[in-house]
Amino acid sequence: ETGVTQSPTHLIKTRGQQVTLRCSSQSGHNTVSWYQQALGQGPQFIFQYYREEENGRGNFPPRFSGLQFPNYSSELNVNALELDDSALYLCASSFPGAGGYTFGSGTRLTVV
Amino acid sequence: DQQVKQNSPSLSVQEGRISILNCDYTNSMFDYFLWYKKYPAEGPTFLISISSIKDKNEDGRFTVFLNKSAKHLSLHIVPSQPGDSAVYFCAARVRGGSNYKLTFGKGTLLTVNP
Repeated sequence: ETGVTQSPTHLIKTRGQQVTLRCSSQSGHNTVSWYQQALGQGPQFIFQYYREEENGRGNFPPRFSGLQFPNYSSELNVNALELDDSALYLCASSFPGAGGYTFGSGTRLTVV
Repeated sequence: DQQVKQNSPSLSVQEGRISILNCDYTNSMFDYFLWYKKYPAEGPTFLISISSIKDKNEDGRFTVFLNKSAKHLSLHIVPSQPGDSAVYFCAARVRGGSNYKLTFGKGTLLTVNP
């Protein structure tokens, strides 16, 4: 059974650019959530996808968008990057109703 | 407005002693609580959880206690081991639908000294 894998592990982008982060869910998990963890903070919920549709969103602007594919893998896209977008981006997969959420190791995004 | 609060940024204990990590919450709609452990350069790892209908859950060295009237939960680690040194996050989930958003605290850095 594979866990949640994220790519890339590290990324440096320039302000104003666009970025795509990828996540492969744990086998059997059809729900994917994305979280942003700024330095010294806990993870903040960005959005969740279930059956390829967004079914919940946190306090993030529309320039944060996502996709979920039929194989339950997912992408997080961020447009018009800002310096404050620098953070660790975590993907978590789960099965509806399950208590635990399996997190990937994250993508460290630095915006300069 | 922080709905889940971990007021101790750090905690240091001796190996073999008990570690107690605390968490307070404000949202009465939370129905499920989880503790995660995080090492540097890794994602959070699920440790233990508790439903809002229970007041205690135990798994090996880890026990979580929930006091709903005080909106407080705690994680006890007995005995503490050096490998337990990590950041511990308390998280809570709101009941309802198929959206299982987790709200996290800021974390507590636990250091277990040999």
